[in-house]
Amino acid sequence: QVHLQESGPGVVKPSGTLSLTCAVSGDSVTSNHWWSWVRQSPKKGLEWIGRIYHVGGGSYNPSLESRVTMSVDRSKNEISLTVTSVTVADTAVYYCVRDFGDNWGRGTLVLVSS
Amino acid sequence: DIVMTQYPDSLAVSLGERATINCRSSQTIFLNTNNKLNLTWFQQKPGQPPKKLIDWASSRESGVPARFSGSGSGADFTLTISSLLAEDVAIYYCHQYYSVPYTFGQGTKLEIK
Repeated sequence: QVHLQESGPGVVKPSGTLSLTCAVSGDSVTSNHWWSWVRQSPKKGLEWIGRIYHVGGGSYNPSLESRVTMSVDRSKNEISLTVTSVTVADTAVYYCVRDFGDNWGRGTLVLVSS
Repeated sequence: DIVMTQYPDSLAVSLGERATINCRSSQTIFLNTNNKLNLTWFQQKPGQPPKKLIDWASSRESGVPARFSGSGSGADFTLTISSLLAEDVAIYYCHQYYSVPYTFGQGTKLEIK
């Protein structure tokens, strides 16, 4: 049974950088799966951020692409997400997701506030 | 971007009655390479992440009760709960993964009448 656990700072200042990690257990980040990030806010609803595969390749939402980076850490069996130049509009619950929604983490709330 | 529009936004149904939720995509999401519709239905309860109910528009996930069914073709899709139980109170979302950026419907809130 795969388990995904997001972790992050909780609060990020405007114009700062948001960095999240997703610890994967019960599966390997090098297995034949895509790893995605999805966020949810009252204003925008569910928003797909992007996906990554361990041997490279992936795609980002064009609306976020200039500010987003995703990576795979094989040694820690983790997925990471970085969003730069954050604004209040980036306040959301961020979810780590395997494939096309087969498995979701519990999510972590990120508040952008000074 | 493919826009996913759900209707109604909210729905109140009596216990034991049928609930029907609709979703329309702004373009077809039929993938010719595998003859499948890249459409998923999720259920989300308060404080929980979304849970996949239906994939490929009509294929029920393992462990999902048979009262849940999905149908549709091209750009119009339906999630049906044949006999509503109290535990089905939730927000339901449709989701397309046919083309990037993948997108979700705005959600339909299902309540008990």
